[in-house]
Amino acid sequence: SQQGEEDPQALSIQEGENATMNCSYKTSINNLQWYRQNSGRGLVHLILIRSNEREKHSGRLRVTLDTSKKSSSLLITASRAADTASYFCATDGQGAQKLVFGQGTRLTINP
Amino acid sequence: DAMVIQNPRYQVTQFGKPVTLSCSQTLNHNVMYWYQQKSSQAPKLLFHYYDKDFNNEADTPDNFQSRRPNTSFCFLDIRSPGLGDAAMYLCATSLDRGMNQPQHFGDGTRLSIL
Repeated sequence: SQQGEEDPQALSIQEGENATMNCSYKTSINNLQWYRQNSGRGLVHLILIRSNEREKHSGRLRVTLDTSKKSSSLLITASRAADTASYFCATDGQGAQKLVFGQGTRLTINP
Repeated sequence: DAMVIQNPRYQVTQFGKPVTLSCSQTLNHNVMYWYQQKSSQAPKLLFHYYDKDFNNEADTPDNFQSRRPNTSFCFLDIRSPGLGDAAMYLCATSLDRGMNQPQHFGDGTRLSIL
């Protein structure tokens, strides 16, 4: 069964607003990763957060991890039209030698 | 720039006609992955190579096979494509097999079946 599930499935906001996407997973993990996918393109790695980390930043991106709730969130601050994409979380699921991706959140930034 | 390149970007084949998708990488990574992604769905791992060691996912149909002749190239062969195989096929690489590192993706090949 799917390891990560994103919420919401779709999100539409105005340019300049902040966007928050959530990911929940079922089993314990070593790492959780976030990826972006522009329409018709491959996935681009954004951030990796380890199970012993609670928060990580990269530019306008902020990722949090709560292992007690088995959840992670991705915050994009001061959104831009170029942030329009699908965002996926991926987990390794109890040390499995593969990433399992969630269904993704489709983010639309309206100018 | 080091990268993962997939050819072609779009491939059309006929029902039952074998098709091969290709992937090359200049990252010199040990691991290469093939994913299938259907519209608005998560990428689904089909198999991966750790160097020359082939690892098939349990639920990957026998119709799908792969070859990795050298470090740089990996091929996905679909022996007898069915309508349900229409999808985006993504190739990815990682330096090593541990899941504590990012995967680098190509832009995919979108496969259509007539």
